[in-house]
Amino acid sequence: DGGITQSPKYLFRKEGQNVTLSCEQNLNHDAMYWYRQDPGQGLRLIYYSQIVNDFQKGDIAEGYSVSREKKESFPLTVTSAQKNPTAFYLCASSVTGKYRENIQYFGAGTRLSVL
Amino acid sequence: GESVGLHLPTLSVQEGDNSIINCAYSNSASDYFIWYKQESGKGPQFIIDIRSNMDKRQGQRVTVLLNKTVKHLSLQIAATQPGDSAVYFCAENAGGTSYGKLTFGQGTILTVHP
Repeated sequence: DGGITQSPKYLFRKEGQNVTLSCEQNLNHDAMYWYRQDPGQGLRLIYYSQIVNDFQKGDIAEGYSVSREKKESFPLTVTSAQKNPTAFYLCASSVTGKYRENIQYFGAGTRLSVL
Repeated sequence: GESVGLHLPTLSVQEGDNSIINCAYSNSASDYFIWYKQESGKGPQFIIDIRSNMDKRQGQRVTVLLNKTVKHLSLQIAATQPGDSAVYFCAENAGGTSYGKLTFGQGTILTVHP
């Protein structure tokens, strides 16, 4: 069953704690993306990766970090420097990030809350 | 008081009616557009896309219209069903050096009444 798997579905963070959100895809896509969604708002790009071992900051990268050691995996760490981390986090992938015509497919999301 | 971003445009229709959801974009360099549907608590689902060299594209029960002159995009849903109730987002790709990067609109809430 091909797709994008995000885990966990719900995550709680304590003050000063780093947490890592998992994103795995078995679509053989080169490009992967992380977005943040706040209530009643659109998606804002945190980081994206066009190829393994390479990634670029999006519009709101401060307080977040990523790695892309494997094609299938693009974990996002929400660091303690992110002072307002409560949001719905969405991971996406696309066949390639090198062309304008580029459909992104999304996972089911992780809802992060602060304790 | 009101919070910025919590009051999305809304559209309420009766089952069986046609729905039209609008999206204005600001970047005249944008040359590729996508519509997504997002149900509550889920990730966005791809509906349909359109390139800037087209002004209309049809899918199953959906049609996207692009007017580059006024930088306007619309999604038409024929014979709207209760299962179409969701938030609908348009997204644009302005190209440049970040080819894969999409910019998303705020979204429109569609409610379909049986």
